[in-house]
Amino acid sequence: GAVVSQHPSWVICKSGTSVKIECRSLDFQATTMFWYRQFPKQSLMLMATSNEGSKATYEQGVEKDKFLINHASLTLSTLTVTSAHPEDSSFYICSATPGTAYNEQFFGPGTRLTVL
Amino acid sequence: KNEVEQSPQNLTAQEGEFITINCSYSVGISALHWLQQHPGGGIVSLFMLSSGKKKHGRLIATINIQEKHSSLHITASHPRDSAVYICAVSLIQGGSEKLVFGKGTKLTVNP
Repeated sequence: GAVVSQHPSWVICKSGTSVKIECRSLDFQATTMFWYRQFPKQSLMLMATSNEGSKATYEQGVEKDKFLINHASLTLSTLTVTSAHPEDSSFYICSATPGTAYNEQFFGPGTRLTVL
Repeated sequence: KNEVEQSPQNLTAQEGEFITINCSYSVGISALHWLQQHPGGGIVSLFMLSSGKKKHGRLIATINIQEKHSSLHITASHPRDSAVYICAVSLIQGGSEKLVFGKGTKLTVNP
């Protein structure tokens, strides 16, 4: 149990376009979903925390107008990278937790974004 | 200085060897997580612990809250254990949880 999927698994886009990444909890309801970014040979960095039905909380330095997060249901959160630039190329990973802050997080398989 | 430090950064072992990966942290935490990241990037949660010791198969995780230190042990290592092992700590900030990650330890187990 506790499976989280992401779609797409990889995407290549042109600079200036927008890309949407979906994160789904397949067999549980995710009260909270987290979006992370990982550059090569770097740690995962939290971008934002999203709770179903409310606005996402962004980490310092993450532009909320550039990285739009929608958590419309208890099983789906989306991250839209707007007007993507080559420096946005990275590995984006979501995780979901079924309950409160002290619950284990379940990670999606990640989405590799390459912006040309 | 990172809030979470792992050692070693890279580790190469022969099949069958006993492996230890260390994690030290500098802040108060609610829990510590050990994660496994395979070359494709997918992450699997191995352990979440806030005290003592947990065991799952050949994997053992321990934590010493007073010393702010945790270890992940792999007994009878196997080439399929080759992956990046990441230590992450749960912080409660402003009423919400946040994970802070170490840079990971790349483990290669040779047959």
